[in-house]
Amino acid sequence: QQQVKQSPQSLIVQKGGISIINCAYENTAFDYFPWYQQFPGKGPALLIAIRPDVSEKKEGRFTISFNKSAKQFSLHIMDSQPGDSATYFCAASRVSGGYQKVTFGIGTKLQVIP
Amino acid sequence: ETGVTQSPTHLIKTRGQQVTLRCSSQSGHNTVSWYQQALGQGPQFIFQYYREEENGRGNFPPRFSGLQFPNYSSELNVNALELDDSALYLCASSFTGRPRQFFGPGTRLTVL
Repeated sequence: QQQVKQSPQSLIVQKGGISIINCAYENTAFDYFPWYQQFPGKGPALLIAIRPDVSEKKEGRFTISFNKSAKQFSLHIMDSQPGDSATYFCAASRVSGGYQKVTFGIGTKLQVIP
Repeated sequence: ETGVTQSPTHLIKTRGQQVTLRCSSQSGHNTVSWYQQALGQGPQFIFQYYREEENGRGNFPPRFSGLQFPNYSSELNVNALELDDSALYLCASSFTGRPRQFFGPGTRLTVL
């Protein structure tokens, strides 16, 4: 059962454009929503994260928009750069049975072209 | 501050063999989680260790087992390897009770 649905699976954006990746979740018990960036051959690195009591969080060129009623959240990358080319994963996390359970989306491969 | 490290970087095994992967937590972190990332997929939660005990497990069979040591480092053991076990295995450390996890670079396991 895919508890976190992510789209699109691939995205091509021109340099300077806005990259938008969307995620939807099912379980309302999730209480932490991180986005990870992963380069080939590397582990995922936390980019930005949000709690469900906040509708938007911005860090530099990266913004998370969160819609609790729709159970959806999205990552916006402003002024996209070739160095942003990577795979991005959304995730949803909750404490379950005494441990932090994290469920990842399938990933979005972003390519920023000059 | 030392980040999460994993060894080895790459490993090739044959079907039926056993493998041990290792992880050193980021300094001060007391919780370790292991994930399996198949090619083109998101990481899938295997299990989590805290105070040297497994305190949570995903949908993985018992042939996936682990250990956590007093210094918070950890091992992932996989017995009776299958072709589908070929994947990137990721270790992530954190402070217990805090949701932020720090990932290591992973171990690429190939099962032939």
